[in-house]
Amino acid sequence: KNQVEQSPQSLIILEGKNCTLQCNYTVSPFSNLRWYKQDTGRGPVSLTIMTFSENTKSNGRYTATLDADTKQSSLHITASQLSDSASYICVVSPRGGGNNDMRFGAGTRLTVKP
Amino acid sequence: DAGVIQSPRHEVTEMGQEVTLRCKPISGHDYLFWYRQTMMRGLELLIYFNNNVPIDDSGMPEDRFSAKMPNASFSTLKIQPSEPRDSAVYFCASSLRGGQGWYEQYFGPGTRLTVT
Repeated sequence: KNQVEQSPQSLIILEGKNCTLQCNYTVSPFSNLRWYKQDTGRGPVSLTIMTFSENTKSNGRYTATLDADTKQSSLHITASQLSDSASYICVVSPRGGGNNDMRFGAGTRLTVKP
Repeated sequence: DAGVIQSPRHEVTEMGQEVTLRCKPISGHDYLFWYRQTMMRGLELLIYFNNNVPIDDSGMPEDRFSAKMPNASFSTLKIQPSEPRDSAVYFCASSLRGGQGWYEQYFGPGTRLTVT
């Protein structure tokens, strides 16, 4: 069973609207949680990294939140743009597993329409 | 900085042929990773190197896969013989230890492999 589950699998929104992507994980204890953006035909690019003690991290219009008690994270995108169309991947690294041990979610495919 | 460079970007080959994928990491990075991405399984770590030494190859699917890193600026992933189920996008990534102990990985553009 995948230790990192993302929802929804895909999402379509209109340009200018906000959206929230979800990530639930069972990796425990964990060291850090990352959100990556992957454009079609490209490699993933890191958006945010949060340690287990952080609750929120922002990167421009992207804000990630983390609830370590419920093992949930969300990525909120504000005032979406066409360029936000991409897959968003949640990645959790277990504590003690080495900082290069990353458990990947399957991703959420976001489409922003004009 | 040119980022992580991978070649070729696309490879189409017939079953049974040998395939070699190439990667040049970001200069100065001491970790290099090979990943495979498919629709069914998402991103999977195959192997990673630290200072040119393979550290963990537990993700390599079988003996048909091998990876080398002869120097700090070059790595190869070889599949011999290739099979249709090897069709996927293969990513190389490199990293350097970050400020709080985590490693920010930088991914290359990937090689799309199709085995017919």
